[in-house]
Amino acid sequence: SQQGEEDPQALSIQEGENATMNCSYKTSINNLQWYRQNSGRGLVHLILIRSNEREKHSGRLRVTLDTSKKSSSLLITASRAADTASYFCAQDDAGGFKTIFGAGTRLFVKA
Amino acid sequence: NAGVMQNPRHLVRRRGQEARLRCSPMKGHSHVYWYRQLPEEGLKFMVYLQKENIIDESGMPKERFSAEFPKEGPSILRIQQVVRGDSAAYFCASSPPNRGAYGYTFGSGTRLTVV
Repeated sequence: SQQGEEDPQALSIQEGENATMNCSYKTSINNLQWYRQNSGRGLVHLILIRSNEREKHSGRLRVTLDTSKKSSSLLITASRAADTASYFCAQDDAGGFKTIFGAGTRLFVKA
Repeated sequence: NAGVMQNPRHLVRRRGQEARLRCSPMKGHSHVYWYRQLPEEGLKFMVYLQKENIIDESGMPKERFSAEFPKEGPSILRIQQVVRGDSAAYFCASSPPNRGAYGYTFGSGTRLTVV
């Protein structure tokens, strides 16, 4: 299976702290994506990092990619209660026709 | 731009009935993907369609499930003779032909409950 694995499965932090979520995958990728899902809602695309990129920033989000270790991390700095959600990493499969999602990290930010 | 529209938001069916889930992609998007999500799990790919074509249905159960994306109208995911194990959230996503550096745009999902 090409499915990525997120770590940790759940994370609880205080508002203002940083949150780091990790993702490992099994096969070669063209890109890796991170999504957020609020409870009972659809997924929202956060950021896409290409295989030839090592780091990417978007506001309070920082994503790194290490293709030698087949891993990626998502860092949310200065977290807010509104960041409480599930975060998923996803990779396009080898054929490029579909995107495979991991099981997600459930982040809870306490106010 | 209304985004990806899914309806109904919630659907309750008795065992043995049929469930029809609809998805209207974003304007300008010709590619549609269906995913299923069980509670506390990630999304599992079901099927990828373009207008009038099924491109990849490797994630679809071989029986009772079908999908279409006609030339006119929304994409339909159809589940015949539903069973309790079909209870899940079903998400539709769409993208333009060349997704490039962008991810998918997801709908808010249809939550199917089989009683």
